[in-house]
Amino acid sequence: EAGVVQSPRYKIIEKKQPVAFWCNPISGHNTLYWYRQNLGQGPELLIRYENEEAVDDSQLPKDRFSAERLKGVDSTLKIQPAELGDSAVYLCASRRTGIQETQYFGPGTRLLVL
Amino acid sequence: DQQVKQNSPSLSVQEGRISILNCDYTNSMFDYFLWYKKYPAEGPTFLISISSIKDKNEDGRFTVFLNKSAKHLSLHIVPSQPGDSAVYFCAAGGSGTYKYIFGTGTRLKVLA
Repeated sequence: EAGVVQSPRYKIIEKKQPVAFWCNPISGHNTLYWYRQNLGQGPELLIRYENEEAVDDSQLPKDRFSAERLKGVDSTLKIQPAELGDSAVYLCASRRTGIQETQYFGPGTRLLVL
Repeated sequence: DQQVKQNSPSLSVQEGRISILNCDYTNSMFDYFLWYKKYPAEGPTFLISISSIKDKNEDGRFTVFLNKSAKHLSLHIVPSQPGDSAVYFCAAGGSGTYKYIFGTGTRLKVLA
C-alpha cells in the first residue's frame, strides 16, 4: 500500500511570493490533515477534511492560507503571500474515518521563506 | 497552553538498555494516545497507540503505559538499538474528535 505522498519536498521562496503544497493521501482514507511543524516543536493542526468538507479549520490563518480538497482525494495547501515566519515543515496526514483509527503522515514539505 | 507535554527534550541510552520516554497531558477528555517516531527529513511514523480503556499496550520491543489518574503515559523500548535513535512524539486526542495534539518531542540517542 502506497503511503501519503507530498510534493514538493523542499521549497525556497522570497517573502510575499505565493507557494502551494500538494498531498495525495492513502487510498481509502477519507480524513486528511494538514499540519505545520516549526523547528523544535510538534506538529500543529492547520485544517482537517472529512472527504471534501473542511470540518476543522480553526487554526488556519485565513488571511493568507487556503486549502482545498475538491474531489475528496488529494489536497492543496496555499500560502499567499508568504511571510518569513511561515518557514516550517508542512505535513499532510490521512486516516480512515472511524473511531481510534491511526493517522499516517507523509514526508512533509520543508519551506524556507527568505 | 501546552496540553501535551514532553518535558525531556533529549535522552541518551546505551544499546541494549531500556529507553523510557515520558509524556504528560492536561485534558481529561483525551482518551486515545499515540507515539510517533521521526527521523530527519521524514514525516512522523506511527509506532504504537493506547486507548484509555487499557493501561498497557505492547508491540515487540515497544510498550506504552497509561496512568489515567496521573495523566501520564510512557513509552518503553527494550532493548534499545542504535536504529531507535530518532525524535519521539506523543499525541493525544478524544475519541470521536479525530483531532490530535502533539507534544514537542524527545530526541533519543542510543549509543553503540
